[in-house]
Amino acid sequence: QQQVKQSPQSLIVQKGGISIINCAYENTAFDYFPWYQQFPGKGPALLIAIRPDVSEKKEGRFTISFNKSAKQFSLHIMDSQPGDSATYFCAATEDTGRRALTFGSGTRLQVQP
Amino acid sequence: EPEVTQTPSHQVTQMGQEVILRCVPISNHLYFYWYRQILGQKVEFLVSFYNNEISEKSEIFDDQFSVERPDGSNFTLKIRSTKLEDSAMYFCASSAGQGGSQPQHFGDGTRLSIL
Repeated sequence: QQQVKQSPQSLIVQKGGISIINCAYENTAFDYFPWYQQFPGKGPALLIAIRPDVSEKKEGRFTISFNKSAKQFSLHIMDSQPGDSATYFCAATEDTGRRALTFGSGTRLQVQP
Repeated sequence: EPEVTQTPSHQVTQMGQEVILRCVPISNHLYFYWYRQILGQKVEFLVSFYNNEISEKSEIFDDQFSVERPDGSNFTLKIRSTKLEDSAMYFCASSAGQGGSQPQHFGDGTRLSIL
């Protein structure tokens, strides 16, 4: 019940295209959903996050869409750039309870020039 | 920008030996975490630490593991009697306050290789 399922495992997108990564969760106690970006040799870095009281959050080229009834959320990267090539992890946690992040399995994104 | 620093970047140890992984969290942060990432797998929570005690731990964090804040700046993870399956990247993270929505800032990790 603590799992967060992420897909696809890998993704190849052409420069300028839209990258879409999907996640699903079971635990209804989760109420905070961050996305992390990880470059090789580096630790995960917070990219964008959303709470379930909104259906969408946008920051620059990055948008999270959230479907509370389906217990799904997704990351959209608009106008994908080669510099976006990294591994992306969705995560979930309880804002007022347990603080540990439960991560998805990761998506390796490659943006081709 | 303040960052979490971890040392060493790579640790190679013989099976059965003890290792200590070190972290310097961001200076005004109060909550500290250890996560691990086995090669090619997802990041997994190990333990969180607040006010000089463990506040939460996962089933991975058994008696083989311990954490300590020996002074005002360092946060350490000790692994006793290491096993081959302990080989992983270990990430330290810190956050300023309570609640999952307080961003957790990660260090660049220590790659632990058990021979």
